[in-house]
Amino acid sequence: DADVTQTPRNRITKTGKRIMLECSQTKGHDRMYWYRQDPGLGLRLIYYSFDVKDINKGEISDGYSVSRQAQAKFSLSLESAIPNQTALYFCATSSRTGTYEQYFGPGTRLTVT
Amino acid sequence: TQLLEQSPQFLSIQEGENLTVYCNSSSVFSSLQWYRQEPGEGPVLLVTVVTGGEVKKLKRLTFQFGDARKDSSLHITAAQPGDTGLYLCAGKRSGGSNYKLTFGKGTLLTVNP
Repeated sequence: DADVTQTPRNRITKTGKRIMLECSQTKGHDRMYWYRQDPGLGLRLIYYSFDVKDINKGEISDGYSVSRQAQAKFSLSLESAIPNQTALYFCATSSRTGTYEQYFGPGTRLTVT
Repeated sequence: TQLLEQSPQFLSIQEGENLTVYCNSSSVFSSLQWYRQEPGEGPVLLVTVVTGGEVKKLKRLTFQFGDARKDSSLHITAAQPGDTGLYLCAGKRSGGSNYKLTFGKGTLLTVNP
């Protein structure tokens, strides 16, 4: 079984809708991240969490919110989706020490029409 | 300004050829990682280098960290179609925030049979 799972894998939604992307991990890592990937822009950090009570904004948090329901679960919400949020979204985990190597989920392809 | 510049952006070669891709910065990194991302999947960690001048080998892939820890290269010998993918470098800056990896935009490699 995959160490980091994401649901859904694909989602098409309309402008203005609320949508939640979910991430679960079995690696036992404390740190979890949400990134978006766009062609030509690379991976950009949306939010990160060091533990259940420690959640922080990344580079591009506007329009997004997150919830860390447990050590193993970290969800990303788009409160009112807009077309420029169409992207690939990745959840990742890392251990708290060392070189912060990232372990990524398979991604969610989100399209906002 | 992109902190980690990867080159070339795109590379298309024939099976059996050798290639090198680069990851350059004006900043010093305490560690640097290489990831490979296949279509429809999340990035997968290939290697981490931490010491200036360090060379690591992973089968036909050779990774080198620059002496000044500002750059890195990935050399693939006798490329195969299975090497096709997006190669990303990412680093933890010396003295930088303790949460964040800096990602390059990647080199998209296509190995044709």
